[in-house]
Amino acid sequence: NAGVTQTPKFQVLKTGQSMTLQCAQDMNHEYMSWYRQDPGMGLRLIHYSVGAGITDQGEVPNGYNVSRSTTEDFPLRLLSAAPSQTSVYFCASSSQREQFFGPGTRLTVL
Amino acid sequence: AQSVTQLGSHVSVSEGALVLLRCNYSSSVPPYLFWYVQYPNQGLQLLLKYTSAATLVKGINGFEAEFKKSETSFHLTKPSAHMSDAAEYFCAVSNTGNQFYFGTGTSLTVIP
Repeated sequence: NAGVTQTPKFQVLKTGQSMTLQCAQDMNHEYMSWYRQDPGMGLRLIHYSVGAGITDQGEVPNGYNVSRSTTEDFPLRLLSAAPSQTSVYFCASSSQREQFFGPGTRLTVL
Repeated sequence: AQSVTQLGSHVSVSEGALVLLRCNYSSSVPPYLFWYVQYPNQGLQLLLKYTSAATLVKGINGFEAEFKKSETSFHLTKPSAHMSDAAEYFCAVSNTGNQFYFGTGTSLTVIP
């Protein structure tokens, strides 16, 4: 039981490049979410999904896309990276009133 | 609407002293409340949660928190700080148990 896994752990992009942050969970949770963590701002919700095929925007969705084709996977796409997207990204899945977090992806956009 | 306010972005205590991290919440319905801990370069780990059972909740590593509805508070305490408690602590609120709203975090420093 791996819980929530995220890849890659570190990534450096140039402005304008695109990439996908991967997230997978093996707990059969319906609810998954993506957060970004910035100093002094806590965790801010980017997008979330309440089940396969259903996604919605969180607090800071601009510049990010998501899809949920399976219960297990919830990738986050940056279509055209900007320096403002330099952050640590956490994926989480939740059930029974507890949220389980992945180890995070540290992204730097130059 | 739900929100969480953590008073004090940085707290320093001496080793062996009481730890008190403050959290106040806003929620239009009875909330679920959580404290998470984040050690350097790691993800978030659940310390404890309140889900409408006992108002005094005990968590891991000797931490506990008390839900006070009249004060809309859920402060985190530990009687005696250890060096290993140095970390970032986040309070979170949820009214569904799925969508969480986090505070901005409190960085705890333990002075030897």
